[in-house]
Amino acid sequence: GDSVTQMEGPVTLSEEAFLTINCTYTATGYPSLFWYVQYPGEGLQLLLKATKADDKGSNKGFEATYRKETTSFHLEKGSVQVSDSAVYFCALSSNTGNQFYFGTGTSLTVIP
Amino acid sequence: DTAVSQTPKYLVTQMGNDKSIKCEQNLGHDTMYWYKQDSKKFLKIMFSYNNKELIINETVPNRFSPKSPDKAHLNLHINSLELGDSAVYFCASSLLGSGGRNEQFFGPGTRLTVL
Repeated sequence: GDSVTQMEGPVTLSEEAFLTINCTYTATGYPSLFWYVQYPGEGLQLLLKATKADDKGSNKGFEATYRKETTSFHLEKGSVQVSDSAVYFCALSSNTGNQFYFGTGTSLTVIP
Repeated sequence: DTAVSQTPKYLVTQMGNDKSIKCEQNLGHDTMYWYKQDSKKFLKIMFSYNNKELIINETVPNRFSPKSPDKAHLNLHINSLELGDSAVYFCASSLLGSGGRNEQFFGPGTRLTVL
């Protein structure tokens, strides 16, 4: 069945460092892909999404490109800030839309 | 103008009690979900309702019973609470009718602590 695998954390970076959080997926057909962010004590918020191959989602300096050939949707940011400290979830919506799969989450801590 | 709201935000109760968590969305979505998030932040889908009909019912104890009085509400009732039920419970909603390309919107969560 469909699934999402993301890199395990926790990840600790210094401010202004480059961030990559890897996410790969297994799916039939053409799923939609998402990154969600969960700040401490809050619910999940959509960070960015891509609905077809080669689409690039971007928001708040974060980017991810839907790569069908490598079944990946890696999250990147060129220069992280302390305020980016959160848990990041990769997610997939199945071809039919009636199944939604989350990765295990990656905790990011950015230190000044 | 809250999109997905849950009440209560915190719930502390004794083992063996029965409690309910309420969820409401004002986004006009047709599908609602309940998730359980454990202390390691792992998210587990519990239930999903589409137009008031149950479409996802994962392996959860039958002490958990969802109820959807209408498309905008999905409540979760838990009987005979156990220590292992302590977690954060999230409600979410989405619009499946758009072809599955839309994301889920999450509520702020309900932190349940069973003593």
